[in-house]
Amino acid sequence: LAKTTQPISMDSYEGQEVNITCSHNNIATNDYITWYQQFPSQGPRFIIQGYKTKVTNEVASLFIPADRKSSTLSLPRVSLSDTAVYYCLVGAGTASKLTFGTGTRLQVTL
Amino acid sequence: GAVVSQHPSRVICKSGTSVKIECRSLDFQATTMFWYRQFPKKSLMLMATSNEGSKATYEQGVEKDKFLINHASLTLSTLTVTSAHPEDSSFYICSARGNEKLFFGSGTQLSVL
Repeated sequence: LAKTTQPISMDSYEGQEVNITCSHNNIATNDYITWYQQFPSQGPRFIIQGYKTKVTNEVASLFIPADRKSSTLSLPRVSLSDTAVYYCLVGAGTASKLTFGTGTRLQVTL
Repeated sequence: GAVVSQHPSRVICKSGTSVKIECRSLDFQATTMFWYRQFPKKSLMLMATSNEGSKATYEQGVEKDKFLINHASLTLSTLTVTSAHPEDSSFYICSARGNEKLFFGSGTQLSVL
């Protein structure tokens, strides 16, 4: 299982763009990269998933360099409600179990 | 996206009793589901992989006789915490894979008195 490393915490002001980078140096060829958001006392919520290059959806963008050893979750114009823990997970296959790293605790303030 | 329903969301029980937590995939079939445990301000720890129609696979250090897992159908997995003790108090979360993505239940906060 590919191990992931993320910053423990980040702070941002409302309206700013936030970029959270995750390192996964031993990512396997068939691994996907998935990011989740978790609020207190709730299950993680899927944000975005990618394999390579750039993926964008209505809430975030995911940048993956060519070597795939890292990835960056980009949240445009964060709001107070984006205060949460963000997890980067790496894995593949329908039965592949995913192991959570420490996650990044994002605090957004006015 | 796919929906995973987990209940109860919160349960308080006396020490020595057993508690069952249900996890259902509502709009897709899941041959594999996962159970996690989370302590306050900590990350999720994988407890076991629940396989439909066969025995669950437990992570190292997780007591299979304490945490009974049953995955009798393609849409339902249950976790039973047997003879619960205060140290079993935790937030339990299930997940199931759909469309190559992992979807999570809303979690169950277990408090053992």
